[in-house]
Amino acid sequence: GAGVSQSPRYKVAKRGQDVALRCDPISGHVSLFWYQQALGQGPEFLTYFQNEAQLDKSGLPSDRFFAERPEGSVSTLKIQRTQQEDSAVYLCASMSRGTFPGELFFGEGSRLTVL
Amino acid sequence: RKEVEQDPGPFNVPEGATVAFNCTYSNSASQSFFWYRQDCRKEPKLLMSVYSSGNEDGRFTAQLNRASQYISLLIRDSKLSDSATYLCVVNKDTNAGKSTFGDGTTLTVKP
Repeated sequence: GAGVSQSPRYKVAKRGQDVALRCDPISGHVSLFWYQQALGQGPEFLTYFQNEAQLDKSGLPSDRFFAERPEGSVSTLKIQRTQQEDSAVYLCASMSRGTFPGELFFGEGSRLTVL
Repeated sequence: RKEVEQDPGPFNVPEGATVAFNCTYSNSASQSFFWYRQDCRKEPKLLMSVYSSGNEDGRFTAQLNRASQYISLLIRDSKLSDSATYLCVVNKDTNAGKSTFGDGTTLTVKP
């Protein structure tokens, strides 16, 4: 597809379950970002990859959150032992160095609800 | 204090009105600045970049004041389709790296 694709679009998890969220960026985009957006707030940075290298993970809220991009394309955000406060929309974005600086192309997000 | 702060809103304006949104940022090392638009339950999309000299795109004008660390967005002749949340975004790098978002200002344009 032409845009950033995320799956699943909706995920309901029981507290304590592990979840995995997938992001398929725009083909050829070297940079990939994960953001967390709570209701009524702006997206909060979680982590950033350039190709397969995770260059910044300063926004990951705890060691229960883990992200990878092993082949520099598809990325997975994993949340272990989910808690209610993890309920949010998880947005993935990609960026190409070929475009004008700083434009992020977002996927539609994965909406996680932890019961 | 948040790194990027915006007018809390909401702004409710009639069609045809002119409306302005403000945004301040705390990190003086910030290099690039943007406005994104987010429709309800949709993903953010780039509206426009903000340049030091100010820039205009149709009915939208963005301005940057580096000395005051302040960014603005002006919308003229508001349309119903302008109803959305407008997110101010600041980046310390010009091409990649972490972008910091404000919490957004919600605009509703009414007939």
